Amino acid sequence: AAGVIQSPRHLIKEKRETATLKCYPIPRHDTVYWYQQGPGQDPQFLISFYEKMQSDKGSIPDRFSAQQFSDYHSELNMSSLELGDSALYFCASSLSPYSYEQYFGPGTRLTVT
Amino acid sequence: EDQVTQSPEALRLQEGESSSLNCSYTVSGLRGLFWYRQDPGKGPEFLFTLYSAGEEKEKERLKATLTKKESFLHITAPKPEDSATYLCAVQAGSQGNLIFGKGTKLSVKP
Repeated sequence: AAGVIQSPRHLIKEKRETATLKCYPIPRHDTVYWYQQGPGQDPQFLISFYEKMQSDKGSIPDRFSAQQFSDYHSELNMSSLELGDSALYFCASSLSPYSYEQYFGPGTRLTVT
Repeated sequence: EDQVTQSPEALRLQEGESSSLNCSYTVSGLRGLFWYRQDPGKGPEFLFTLYSAGEEKEKERLKATLTKKESFLHITAPKPEDSATYLCAVQAGSQGNLIFGKGTKLSVKP
């Protein structure tokens, strides 16, 4: 079965640089969520999209932005990177925003040096 | 504020030694409770969704139950390959995002 695809899988950036993470949801899934997971932490919700519109917003820094495109893939843009942004970034997709299972991708490991 | 608390933080079992993981929650308007398994450096793997008190779901050696205040993940006769962190999450109110607990790290020794 098709799964959520994330790219790149690993990314190394320097402080103050920018990064773009991509997420391709499971076919027919129109809802995408972004989560950040620091070392030894639980996943924290950043932002979500439903039918190409932002639906919910969590603890996403103003330096980050995201969007969902017409083919339902999503991109998370991160600017002015800080050391504290080093984390695993997961994308999850679901059939609907409400009361449906969210399936997670393999994640992008971002390291900021 | 919506809150999810998992216990214990870590659990060591011998192969075949059954046990339970606990997830207690305080949320406004629970829409669903989810269990995930996560291996180090990998994405959470979906296990179960429970929607209402009294509901139970099973998959191989795992069984999840739900009451109005908590959920249990029962592991029967675990094997070393069941070693992972088990995450509990809730979906509540008008938002679709998941609120996670800190997880229980399970180690099963042969």
